Amino acid sequence: KNEVEQSPQNLTAQEGEFITINCSYSVGISALHWLQQHPGGGIVSLFMLSSGKKKHGRLIATINIQEKHSSLHITASHPRDSAVYICAVRIGGNQFYFGTGTSLTVIP
Amino acid sequence: EAQVTQNPRYLITVTGKKLTVTCSQNMNHEYMSWYRQDPGLGLRQIYYSMNVEVTDKGDVPEGYKVSRKEKRNFPLILESPSPNQTSLYFCASSPPGNTNEKLFFGSGTQLSVL
Repeated sequence: KNEVEQSPQNLTAQEGEFITINCSYSVGISALHWLQQHPGGGIVSLFMLSSGKKKHGRLIATINIQEKHSSLHITASHPRDSAVYICAVRIGGNQFYFGTGTSLTVIP
Repeated sequence: EAQVTQNPRYLITVTGKKLTVTCSQNMNHEYMSWYRQDPGLGLRQIYYSMNVEVTDKGDVPEGYKVSRKEKRNFPLILESPSPNQTSLYFCASSPPGNTNEKLFFGSGTQLSVL
């Protein structure tokens, strides 16, 4: 079973490009999280969404609850944005299911 | 500094030798959880705890135990490790589920079971 699907799996972009990563899920959720994992393994939480849109610097996250879909956008991408981006859904407040991640490489 | 502390960072052991991975948070969070991360499978939840003495199974609990005797600590116990438990493990915490706050992750424990 795979409650969370992410696309693309891998993404290479030129510095400055606008990037979109997509996440679709199949179950009712209480929240959706976007996580960032850098080489070396540490995981940082970028956003928590239950509706609408959030923005932090060059990162924008949106969610459409009816369509069970979320997107993470990076504007003016930079090599330091190179990381794995992971979508996670929270179900019932207790359980989490994760996408397999999108590996992003931004080339100078 | 608000943080989740996991130890050890790396661990190599042999099949059947009991081990404990510790996790501690200093943010007074009620919710704590354990995950394993494997190539191609992503992160999967092992166990979670809503508060002291309240624990429940996640998606892949077989072969693991947890305890929550104090709010700040949530150790992961492998009573008889096997090679299929070789993985990268993460502990995380957050305020209660109904507040839907961000997750705070530890730095991870790379476990190899020979």
